[in-house]
This record gives sequence, structure tokens and C-alpha cells, in this order.
Amino acid sequence: AQSVTQLDSHVSVSEGTPVLLRCNYSSSYSPSLFWYVQHPNKGLQLLLKYTSAATLVKGINGFEAEFKKSETSFHLTKPSAHMSDAAEYFCVVSDYSTGNQFYFGTGTSLTVIP
Amino acid sequence: SQTIHQWPATLVQPVGSPLSLECTVEGTSNPNLYWYRQAAGRGLQLLFYSVGIGQISSEVPQNLSASRPQDRQFILSSKKLLLSDSSFYLCAWSVPTSGRYDEQFFGPGTRLTVL
Repeated sequence: AQSVTQLDSHVSVSEGTPVLLRCNYSSSYSPSLFWYVQHPNKGLQLLLKYTSAATLVKGINGFEAEFKKSETSFHLTKPSAHMSDAAEYFCVVSDYSTGNQFYFGTGTSLTVIP
Repeated sequence: SQTIHQWPATLVQPVGSPLSLECTVEGTSNPNLYWYRQAAGRGLQLLFYSVGIGQISSEVPQNLSASRPQDRQFILSSKKLLLSDSSFYLCAWSVPTSGRYDEQFFGPGTRLTVL
């Protein structure tokens, strides 16, 4: 069975400090993993994706994530938070066995303190 | 390039009234299409997905239905809205590539309020 666990429902950081949003997944096969960002009352925007190429994936807006199979993790990081990073972040998994479905985590709300 | 449209952006409807939300995709053929619902402060709940015209899979039994009358058109409907249908509805599409699954692309969403 596939599932995604976002370990923190809320994360608060000061502007200019590093961001770490944690995600663990469960998948029977080689998964594809994604991070999306959602600003209030907007659709979701893809930040980055892992599809079995390099384990360190770089995305937009300075975000990156590292796929660690041994830890079944795909944590999202950014060296320095910006006020515009305040949003909801979703970790998503899909793989062969899910057919055409994607499985979403419950989301992490990121607050950036000026 | 591909574009996904949803309308209306916001909608206020009385309890018991019908609903029709429309989603269209441009710039791609034979996409997989999805309807999600997102309650305030919550994650996404998959409602329906479709792999082709007239092919709809339902994930959650409820008073909503979906149809795909054309390749790039996906409609979410209800005959009688409930208060609990108030939510943010998102349409998404994806294209399967070489047996692996590429990302989903999301529309801007529809905020539905049922009074």
C-alpha cells in the first residue's frame, strides 16, 4: 500500500534561516515523489519531483529534496527562508501499483517570521 | 504549452440546488483527469479520476458525480448540494509516460460555499 506521512503539520522559521519539511513514504515499488506548494485559495504548484534519476533533486525557488531509500524519506529543504515561502506544502507519492493515482500527505503549513 | 482551466472561480449556492463545475485542459491529448476536494486547512481528497472519455472512477461515495464528455473536459456535478459540500475543488491532469507517472498539473480551483 502507498502512503505519505508529513511529520509536521506546522513549521515556523525566521526569515533567512533554513527550512526543513519532513516527508516519509511507503511504497511497494520504485516510487515517484513530488513536492507541491499551495498559496491560499490557489491551485497547487510543483516544486520538484523525483523519478529515479539523481537522488538529490533541485526545484524552483531554491528548494531541494533528497530521496533516501533506506530511510523512505523525501525531506524538502531550503537554505534561507523568504517571506514569500509562507504557504502549505504537500508531499505526494505515486508508483506503478497505484495505477493512475497520486497519494497526498496531509500538508505542512510553513510560517516565515520577519 | 499545456493549460488547465476551471470555472467558476467562486460559487455560492443554496442547499439542495444543483452543481456543475467545469474543467478543461489545453495543449495535450488523452490526459488523465482528476477531481479533488480540499476542506479548509486540510489535505486533498481524491473524488474522481478518468483515464478516457466516459471512463470515470469514483473514490468516495457521496452525492457528487463526474463526467467526461470530451477528451479534455471534466465536469463535477451534483443534483442536490449539501452544506458539507462547501469546500475548495481542484481539477488536475497528468499524462502517463513510458509506464511511469509524471506529475499532476493543477487548475486554480473553485471555492464553493453552500448556504
